Amino acid sequence: GAGVSQSPSNKVTEKGKDVELRCDPISGHTALYWYRQSLGQGLEFLIYFQGNSAPDKSGLPSDRFSAERTGGSVSTLTIQRTQQEDSAVYLCASSLFEADTEAFFGQGTRLTVV
Amino acid sequence: GDSVTQMEGPVTLSEEAFLTINCTYTATGYPSLFWYVQYPGEGLQLLLKATKADDKGSNKGFEATYRKETTSFHLEKGSVQVSDSAVYFCALSDRAGTASKLTFGTGTRLQVTL
Repeated sequence: GAGVSQSPSNKVTEKGKDVELRCDPISGHTALYWYRQSLGQGLEFLIYFQGNSAPDKSGLPSDRFSAERTGGSVSTLTIQRTQQEDSAVYLCASSLFEADTEAFFGQGTRLTVV
Repeated sequence: GDSVTQMEGPVTLSEEAFLTINCTYTATGYPSLFWYVQYPGEGLQLLLKATKADDKGSNKGFEATYRKETTSFHLEKGSVQVSDSAVYFCALSDRAGTASKLTFGTGTRLQVTL
């Protein structure tokens, strides 16, 4: 596609439920990043995939968060047993290579946990 | 750890006024520095970047110079337009010359009026 695509654009879920957020990066981009944008914490790095290397998970806030990237393309961020503090906009970005200096961002998924 | 501090907003200016948004950073090593912009209803977009000390990034009339001695990357524009109204984020990468694992400031909202 022309840009990074994320779905759904909005998600409301009940506390304790699991959610899956999807990211479709720009075709051919080997690096993919997840960030979280929340009122209290600003924009935070979560996880980063580069090609076939093991992902850098150093930003994941707890073991309830996980992500995978299948076939080097689409990525899914999963949050288990959601809590109210998980409410945020989850942003995905991709870049052509790890060494590229421009990351292209999607419009995000707004997650609300009620 | 790495951190970015940028001036609190909102900043309200009249059209054709001079703009400065201050950004200072703390980092180990030699990060790359970025300004991203988020227009209303749109995703984050790269505005400009600088990958080493004394580099000047520029785009759309905006400029910022990578000052290692003052650990700063202030954004400037000589004459703002209504269409520049947006939220501006200063960011750094954890590895020189990449957009990997960005650390963002909290964002500064700019409102330009006629």
